Amino acid sequence: SQKIEQNSEALNIQEGKTATLTCNYTNYSPAYLQWYRQDPGRGPVFLLLIRENEKEKRKERLKVTFDTTLKQSLFHITASQPADSATYLCARGNYQLIWGAGTKLIIKP
Amino acid sequence: NAGVTQTPKFRVLKTGQSMTLLCAQDMNHEYMYWYRQDPGMGLRLIHYSVGEGTTAKGEVPDGYNVSRLKKQNFLLGLESAAPSQTSVYFCASKKTADNSPLHFGNGTRLTVT
Repeated sequence: SQKIEQNSEALNIQEGKTATLTCNYTNYSPAYLQWYRQDPGRGPVFLLLIRENEKEKRKERLKVTFDTTLKQSLFHITASQPADSATYLCARGNYQLIWGAGTKLIIKP
Repeated sequence: NAGVTQTPKFRVLKTGQSMTLLCAQDMNHEYMYWYRQDPGMGLRLIHYSVGEGTTAKGEVPDGYNVSRLKKQNFLLGLESAAPSQTSVYFCASKKTADNSPLHFGNGTRLTVT
């Protein structure tokens, strides 16, 4: 079965540094990978989508990469800020997404 | 635009009771979804709908029923609640079948005692 795996341990990063989160998938490469942000008590909010034929996608301080050889997507936040603290989810699929459990990111001032 | 609105925000049920969770979206989206989110697990799809009057089962449909009588509303019903259904429930919608992003409500926290 298809699976999405994200690091379950919280990631602690110093403010101003780059935070890198990992999303690994099994079986065949998904056509798309999506990244969402979830704050406590709120629903996930869409951030970025990357297609399998794209190596990299950027949006302001956010960057997503897609490595079909490693079966992995990396999500980077540059110049991180305490306001970036949240849980970040990745998902694969099309109209039926398969979700990772998310990685909690903590940016320390 | 309000986006996706879920009611209620919190609910406590006793085992065997029934309830309906309401999801409303004002974005004219065709696709709507019900997920549950449990600690340490990814969002799991309960049921979904690809248009008014249509519904389909997701990954964990047992114990739940849904209806999509109007395009903007998607109802999730629990006929006989069980403690295993204690969870946070999220509704989401999207415009089309392709890679358009999901828009989520802020969830309903349900506790079944």
